[in-house]
Amino acid sequence: DGGITQSPKYLFRKEGQNVTLSCEQNLNHDAMYWYRQDPGQGLRLIYYSQIVNDFQKGDIAEGYSVSREKKESFPLTVTSAQKNPTAFYLCASSKAQGGETQYFGPGTRLLVL
Amino acid sequence: GENVEQHPSTLSVQEGDSAVIKCTYSDSASNYFPWYKQELGKRPQLIIDIRSNVGEKKDQRIAVTLNKTAKHFSLHITETQPEDSAVYFCAASMVSGTYKYIFGTGTRLKVLA
Repeated sequence: DGGITQSPKYLFRKEGQNVTLSCEQNLNHDAMYWYRQDPGQGLRLIYYSQIVNDFQKGDIAEGYSVSREKKESFPLTVTSAQKNPTAFYLCASSKAQGGETQYFGPGTRLLVL
Repeated sequence: GENVEQHPSTLSVQEGDSAVIKCTYSDSASNYFPWYKQELGKRPQLIIDIRSNVGEKKDQRIAVTLNKTAKHFSLHITETQPEDSAVYFCAASMVSGTYKYIFGTGTRLKVLA
């Protein structure tokens, strides 16, 4: 778990603003994932990437964008099109093979001002 | 579509008693089943997992059982302790294809001292 980091821990967004959440891993994992968790709720997949320069939409991709230019990094941008962005955002990574454990970062809590 | 149902949503047990959480999955191609524990405000952490070629796996006070025919798997915690209080998530994944997890909705376990 220490090999995957997220920053910042807390992030405040103003109306109409795009914000970017950072996720970095040094586990040499090919696959990376972004999840959203609302209070008292489960984990919903936003985007995932199995290889550099490639990513797929998850179940709730609208209002979000990602890039995967480096193996170690998978930043998530919350755009102004996401009208209800307040949530706990978790990044995870794993080997790009079946039956592999996903390891989670410590999360970023996004709040709207 | 792919779905994982998890029951119960909340569970209270007396310290020292056992706790059982059950999950049912819909995709018969799923063959990897991890369980995560999430403490309040923290990241989910893997506590045990099972693959489809195994019916049961045990690690100290924690065990997982899998019934492929019925497409359900269960988490068993014996001799519960207050530090077991957390939210537990089950997930199902395939070992080919996208490898993404389908998560259950979570069970909030309270161990009463």
